[in-house]
Amino acid sequence: DAKTTQPTSMDCAEGRAANLPCNHSTISGNEYVYWYRQIHSQGPQYIIHGLKNNETNEMASLIITEDRKSSTLILPHATLRDTAVYYCIVRVATEEAAGNKLTFGGGTRVLVKP
Amino acid sequence: DAGVTQSPTHLIKTRGQQVTLRCSPKSGHDTVSWYQQALGQGPQFIFQYYEEEERQRGNFPDRFSGHQFPNYSSELNVNALLLGDSALYLCASSLTARLRYEQYFGPGTRLTVT
Repeated sequence: DAKTTQPTSMDCAEGRAANLPCNHSTISGNEYVYWYRQIHSQGPQYIIHGLKNNETNEMASLIITEDRKSSTLILPHATLRDTAVYYCIVRVATEEAAGNKLTFGGGTRVLVKP
Repeated sequence: DAGVTQSPTHLIKTRGQQVTLRCSPKSGHDTVSWYQQALGQGPQFIFQYYEEEERQRGNFPDRFSGHQFPNYSSELNVNALLLGDSALYLCASSLTARLRYEQYFGPGTRLTVT
């Protein structure tokens, strides 16, 4: 799986949009970008994933650049409960590679401030 | 809809002992993965079970073994415990049969080896 690079930490204001960047310059054509977050003392929580098109769900939006070498996770209206470590992960998601593991890096520690 | 459940929540063992951790996947899921998370680090993949077989394994010694039952639940066994095995052990489930690979994590079991 391709390696990802994320900032170590970032702060954002409650109620504002939080934009979390991720670089994955060695991503392959069949690799998806996944985002998870881990709130203190809990298991990681799936947020969203995408291949090349922008994706949106009830939690967040995922913007992937046209060359797919980077992406941004957007939390539209950050709340204090969004304080967590956010992980950007690149992995293959095909039937043949259904057993592929998630490889977690250090993630970005996001602190939402009042 | 029941999520991923793990038992026990906390466990204290002595060096050299053996431990068994249990996981029940999210309803409808057929694949279980296990991860180890040391304090301050991201989760590290141990192995994955699908159709009662180990499908993929991370860089962990043979002291770590597992099992998946016909009802898709799973156990993680660790023999000859070392102090370095102290960690949060996370179970994640997914639905391989329907090509849905996003993994859903349980709350984890906190293992302390003294």
